[in-house]
Amino acid sequence: DAGVTQSPTHLIKTRGQHVTLRCSPISGHKSVSWYQQVLGQGPQFIFQYYEKEERGRGNFPDRFSARQFPNYSSELNVNALLLGDSALYLCASSVDLEGYTFGSGTRLTVV
Amino acid sequence: RKEVEQDPGPFNVPEGATVAFNCTYSNSASQSFFWYRQDCRKEPKLLMSVYSSGNEDGRFTAQLNRASQYISLLIRDSKLSDSATYLCAVTPNTGTASKLTFGTGTRLQVTL
Repeated sequence: DAGVTQSPTHLIKTRGQHVTLRCSPISGHKSVSWYQQVLGQGPQFIFQYYEKEERGRGNFPDRFSARQFPNYSSELNVNALLLGDSALYLCASSVDLEGYTFGSGTRLTVV
Repeated sequence: RKEVEQDPGPFNVPEGATVAFNCTYSNSASQSFFWYRQDCRKEPKLLMSVYSSGNEDGRFTAQLNRASQYISLLIRDSKLSDSATYLCAVTPNTGTASKLTFGTGTRLQVTL
């Protein structure tokens, strides 16, 4: 079975641009969460979606938005990119409390 | 105070040594606890869930102390391949929709 898949794997954007990151959860997983991990820090929670509804939002500005599709895949959108948005963006899917499975992430560099 | 705190390390230990990491959490309502392993420039991978009764998986033992609000990870007979960053994570709720709050991670370097 495929794990959590994220695309693209790497991305370079210019300040002020917009970016869309994509995630496909493990088959059968209905919950998708997004995390931002900057260098030297642990992942920080951005959003959680469950059954296509937003169930949680972290302390991130409105420039960050997300959605979940009927097939449970998800997109994370970031507008008006700042240098500080450079990070590894991780998607995690889960079915129950026995741990979340992370994708390999999208490494975003804003220049 | 951070919600989840870890000593960032690095912990430099020789192969075969026993090493222990602690992680403290501030939210007494936290319900679920995990240790993740993260290799350089890779995604976190679940190492162990942590239960009130403690749990062991081979050379790895995890403990939860609710009274003092910390979890621990003990690695016995360290291997070179154990070199990684170990992240602890907690969730506040039971149920299928809850976020993970991570510590900053503790870096372990096992040497010959």
